[in-house]
Amino acid sequence: RKEVEQDPGPFNVPEGATVAFNCTYSNSASQSFFWYRQDCRKEPKLLMSVYSSGNEDGRFTAQLNRASQYISLLIRDSKLSDSATYLCVGGISGGYNKLIFGAGTRLAVHP
Amino acid sequence: NAGVMQNPRHLVRRRGQEARLRCSPMKGHSHVYWYRQLPEEGLKFMVYLQKENIIDESGMPKERFSAEFPKEGPSILRIQQVVRGDSAAYFCASSPLSGANVLTFGAGSRLTVL
Repeated sequence: RKEVEQDPGPFNVPEGATVAFNCTYSNSASQSFFWYRQDCRKEPKLLMSVYSSGNEDGRFTAQLNRASQYISLLIRDSKLSDSATYLCVGGISGGYNKLIFGAGTRLAVHP
Repeated sequence: NAGVMQNPRHLVRRRGQEARLRCSPMKGHSHVYWYRQLPEEGLKFMVYLQKENIIDESGMPKERFSAEFPKEGPSILRIQQVVRGDSAAYFCASSPLSGANVLTFGAGSRLTVL
């Protein structure tokens, strides 16, 4: 079983739609969580950190449920520029932060 | 701030040759991580280094792969006797502190083995 599992998609949505991505993790040692965004053939870039209390950054909302080992990302009012692969990431802290990446969920926003 | 610099961006090797990938961390960063991304897959941790020390190499294949981060100069990921399965994007990331939550990634080096 993969340590971080995501639905690979693709999610094809029209502009303006709301889309939600889910992710589960199996390693209870994971202490910090993130969503990264990766454009085609580019490096991953941090989108946002994920907290148990939930956090929002503009159109993006992330949520962590430690009991269920479940992480979510909600994107409201999708833009064409949101088209990318979204990577769910768990960090295992043990003196340093070792990031474990999911395989990613692909989002395609169309006009 | 030039960010994390990786070179070469693209490298083509024939089976059996050696590949050397270089990574210069962001200014002020002394912690370097290497990740590998196979086509249509997520990034897989390979190795974590500090200056002159390998801290965690649990993700490195047992043979043919090695990494270093010397006192002076970039970090080097070396792959000897490459095989087709080594074809991938190799990303380097750096952080200023060992416990830093955020890693800054370089643009990656794409290795193609013919």
